[in-house]
Amino acid sequence: AQTVTQSQPEMSVQEAETVTLSCTYDTSESNYYLFWYKQPPSRQMILVIRQEAYKQQNATENRFSVNFQKAAKSFSLKISDSQLGDTAMYFCAFMSAMTNAGKSTFGDGTTLTVKP
Amino acid sequence: DTAVSQTPKYLVTQMGNDKSIKCEQNLGHDTMYWYKQDSKKFLKIMFSYNNKELIINETVPNRFSPKSPDKAHLNLHINSLELGDSAVYFCASSQVAGQGVETQYFGPGTRLLVL
Repeated sequence: AQTVTQSQPEMSVQEAETVTLSCTYDTSESNYYLFWYKQPPSRQMILVIRQEAYKQQNATENRFSVNFQKAAKSFSLKISDSQLGDTAMYFCAFMSAMTNAGKSTFGDGTTLTVKP
Repeated sequence: DTAVSQTPKYLVTQMGNDKSIKCEQNLGHDTMYWYKQDSKKFLKIMFSYNNKELIINETVPNRFSPKSPDKAHLNLHINSLELGDSAVYFCASSQVAGQGVETQYFGPGTRLLVL
């Protein structure tokens, strides 16, 4: 079974600064996807970024980028130029590419507060 | 033009009642899911359906019964509601493509409170 660990339950950052959220996972599979989801106070789950395990290049989406270290099974999220609207809970998720209806395993989340 | 919609958004009910939550997606996806997010915000998958067929059924009490009338709908029926069923329930959908499954798109959630 896969596990996803987010070791930082809470983090805070000053507006315009950069913050990195940690995520490690455990799997014996070689093909999989990794995701970061954002859940603001509205409780909506919003996809932030995704990474295919077979791609060596780190994914980026505007101010969001990941540091994917496959050998270390690490998948951290870097948020640059933090904005107040980035305040949310962030979930790291793993999905196997092996099945035809992917079962996602989510981490326990990191609550990020961006301070003005 | 909502992609994944759920009804109702809020549901307050008494213990022992039976209730249903509906989910619809207009993305043309083959696969749909139900997740439960408890008070500690831990998110756990409950079920997934692919083309109306049950694929994943996690350790969930059999009081929970998903029903997929077609691949655009996945409803969740809960019998004999208990206090511990209070949570936010998320529906999601994705499309099988290429290597495995594509990104999941989540609905807005249904906040269930059992009194």
